[in-house]
Amino acid sequence: QKEVEQNSGPLSVPEGAIASLNCTYSDRGSQSFFWYRQYSGKSPELIMFIYSNGDKEDGRFTAQLNKASQYVSLLIRDSQPSDSATYLCAVNPSRGSTLGRLYFGRGTQLTVWP
Amino acid sequence: EADIYQTPRYLVIGTGKKITLECSQTMGHDKMYWYQQDPGMELHLIHYSYGVNSTEKGDLSSESTVSRIRTEHFPLTLESARPSHTSQYLCASSINRGTDTQYFGPGTRLTVL
Repeated sequence: QKEVEQNSGPLSVPEGAIASLNCTYSDRGSQSFFWYRQYSGKSPELIMFIYSNGDKEDGRFTAQLNKASQYVSLLIRDSQPSDSATYLCAVNPSRGSTLGRLYFGRGTQLTVWP
Repeated sequence: EADIYQTPRYLVIGTGKKITLECSQTMGHDKMYWYQQDPGMELHLIHYSYGVNSTEKGDLSSESTVSRIRTEHFPLTLESARPSHTSQYLCASSINRGTDTQYFGPGTRLTVL
């Protein structure tokens, strides 16, 4: 079982819609959770992180964490064509020997069409 | 936001050559990482370091080696490049506290002919 699972997509939404990206993880003791955006041919850039249950909002982005169900999601409101990219979910596991490293999902490809 | 640099950005080289990919960060981050990523595929951790003189192999078997003699510098070396090494190599760093947020450099796209 992979540490972090994401639906690879592609996910396609119209401009102005809400895009919903989901991620599940296997280590119940995982501590912190990250969403990165990666444009084609570029390196990942951090969108936001979350470590407490509930919602965390930053502009058009909202991260949602449910530790009991072991899932984390990213909502993008008012989606723009410039949001078209691959979104990577990453998890910081709880195991002491690997503290600090992240496990990345394969990513979900999002396309926002005008 | 971290300032993290990688050189070269693009490299085309012949089989059997020795190459070193450079990675430097100016934020004083303790931890540094090397990832390999093929187009459209997931990131694979190949090496990481928790500090000076501390290096560990990651998940992906790699013929590369790394060193960490200075906090800011984490070079990756391939002693004998092969076409199977053709890939994008990403360096990242994080500070040793809190959430361990990783920041990535721009990457080096390596092609071995």
